[in-house]
Amino acid sequence: QKEVEQNSGPLSVPEGAIASLNCTYSDRGSQSFFWYRQYSGKSPELIMSIYSNGDKEDGRFTAQLNKASQYVSLLIRDSQPSDSATYLCAVSPGNTGKLIFGQGTTLQVKP
Amino acid sequence: GAVVSQHPSRVICKSGTSVKIECRSLDFQATTMFWYRQFPKQSLMLMATSNEGSKATYEQGVEKDKFLINHASLTLSTLTVTSAHPEDSSFYICSAIEIAQERVAFFGQGTRLTVV
Repeated sequence: QKEVEQNSGPLSVPEGAIASLNCTYSDRGSQSFFWYRQYSGKSPELIMSIYSNGDKEDGRFTAQLNKASQYVSLLIRDSQPSDSATYLCAVSPGNTGKLIFGQGTTLQVKP
Repeated sequence: GAVVSQHPSRVICKSGTSVKIECRSLDFQATTMFWYRQFPKQSLMLMATSNEGSKATYEQGVEKDKFLINHASLTLSTLTVTSAHPEDSSFYICSAIEIAQERVAFFGQGTRLTVV
């Protein structure tokens, strides 16, 4: 079992729709959770961080964490073509900064 | 925001030569830096954890004698790929943790290494 799992996609949504990205992790001791966006050939860019159960909203992005289910998700509202990228879920075992990445979900937002 | 600069952004080298990649935290002191590698269409894989003034900790399967890491100051870590071979061609990315915000890692822009 992979430590962090994501559907590779591609996930295709029309412009203006809500994109829902999901991630599960295996280490119950994980404390910090992150969503990164990566454009082709570029380095990951931090979108959201979440540390406690529940929802965290930042603009069009909402991260959701459920530690009991070992599940973290990212919702993107009003999706734009510029949101088309690979979204990486990352989990940190403790406050170490060390990140374990999922394989990423490719999102395609069609105009 | 915290800025991590990585240099060079692209490098092409001949098989058998060594390549050094620098990772600098420009506006903060980094207690720890991490080196990742990403092959095409794959995710980032952690190679090693680098702490200032001490030996790096390598992940299982990463050859420490091939990937030399030096972390001489709180703002600079270097990764040297020694005796590079075509299979070492990859995207190498560093990240750094700011002392005041230890939960968040900031990434450099990455180095595309091509070994011919």
